[in-house]
Amino acid sequence: GAGVSQSPSNKVTEKGKDVELRCDPISGHTALYWYRQSLGQGLEFLIYFQGNSAPDKSGLPSDRFSAERTGGSVSTLTIQRTQQEDSAVYLCASSAKTGLYEQYFGPGTRLTVT
Amino acid sequence: EDQVTQSPEALRLQEGESSSLNCSYTVSGLRGLFWYRQDPGKGPEFLFTLYSAGEEKEKERLKATLTKKESFLHITAPKPEDSATYLCAVQEYSGYALNFGKGTSLLVTP
Repeated sequence: GAGVSQSPSNKVTEKGKDVELRCDPISGHTALYWYRQSLGQGLEFLIYFQGNSAPDKSGLPSDRFSAERTGGSVSTLTIQRTQQEDSAVYLCASSAKTGLYEQYFGPGTRLTVT
Repeated sequence: EDQVTQSPEALRLQEGESSSLNCSYTVSGLRGLFWYRQDPGKGPEFLFTLYSAGEEKEKERLKATLTKKESFLHITAPKPEDSATYLCAVQEYSGYALNFGKGTSLLVTP
């Protein structure tokens, strides 16, 4: 079956611009996660959604970052007024439920802020 | 202080030369430990989940084991196609996010 898909695969933007990154989870998966992977750093948790519950935003690095999930499926991560330190690969993952269920990752969006 | 530490950072093996990767962790309550494989330019690929000390799981040339403080990923008779970065992550009872180590970059040469 289809895996997690993300778009765009690459995004180059100028400092100060807003960007939107999209994630389509595996069909039927109720939990969705966003992570960030920077050069030399491990994967860093950003936010997760589970069904209709309020999202856990505890990993968002600043109020310039926000995310929403529409209809319990597609999610959009928005970064406002991008900074050079936002350059990273943004990874989305989904799992059948939260808890001890393996998370399946998409290919990521490589964001470069110039 | 890092909760998940992987060693070595990089490992080079000859084809057929078995070895182990280490993941040590410090958490208050471990719900599960995960191993992933990541190829360049791709997202992490799920390998194993371990739940409790003493558990072992195998897949082809890979075997993962878990103790109360660390996990090992044993690679038996590796092949060049096993070259990748191997990531370890822990999930605590206090949340659902995965806390990743920085990975071990494995290169297997013919």
